Amino acid sequence: QVQLVESGGGVVQPGRSLGLSCAASGFTFSTHAMHWVRQAPGKGLEWVAVISYDGSKNYYADSVKGRFSISRDNSKNTLYLQMSSLRADDTAVYHCARDVSPSYYYYIDVWGKGTTVTVSS
Amino acid sequence: QSVLTQPPSVSAAPGQKVTISCSGSGSNIGKNYVSWYQQLPGTAPKLLIYDNNKRPSGIPDRFSGSKSGTSATLGITGLQTGDEADYYCGTWDSSLSAAVFGGGTKVTVL
Repeated sequence: QVQLVESGGGVVQPGRSLGLSCAASGFTFSTHAMHWVRQAPGKGLEWVAVISYDGSKNYYADSVKGRFSISRDNSKNTLYLQMSSLRADDTAVYHCARDVSPSYYYYIDVWGKGTTVTVSS
Repeated sequence: QSVLTQPPSVSAAPGQKVTISCSGSGSNIGKNYVSWYQQLPGTAPKLLIYDNNKRPSGIPDRFSGSKSGTSATLGITGLQTGDEADYYCGTWDSSLSAAVFGGGTKVTVL
């Protein structure tokens, strides 16, 4: 079945870097745009970034622009999020999500369970 | 502050109907399709409505969506205790070049 499994979360000090991964299975990964969406404790959904099916286009939320980088390896069916200069307000559950479109956005139809990132000294 | 505005909470008795509004602008809802997501406590979000008013297979017809101008609405009829969840609207903002979500609405079944 279609599945997205995130990994790489943990506790990290402010200012440090952390990389997340998302392993996709059960569908043709290379034909879908992919997103990262986060949810801070007790808060709503916040979109983070999207990458097109071939990695040629990506867009970021203003809150992470210049600090986070989204990438993908279609040969490994894996999505990545490299986070640097982490701040306390980056603390959240990070969900990997599949878009129906190959381009950048139409709607999200599959969500992963998420991996928790805690930024704290 | 979310780009899309939703009421923080709505409530109704079992069997009744609730509606959740999602207000945006010409660069997001006014220009693009709206989708809705249900997040049950402790779980990942789930697609409920896409293309403003279409339901994925497996979503009961108790859930409906509509859009008019720069606002969208999610309706839930025949409310059940299992519908207690947070609901989010989402779309693309063409001016921001970003996906945007509403702040979420908590549905409580009295």
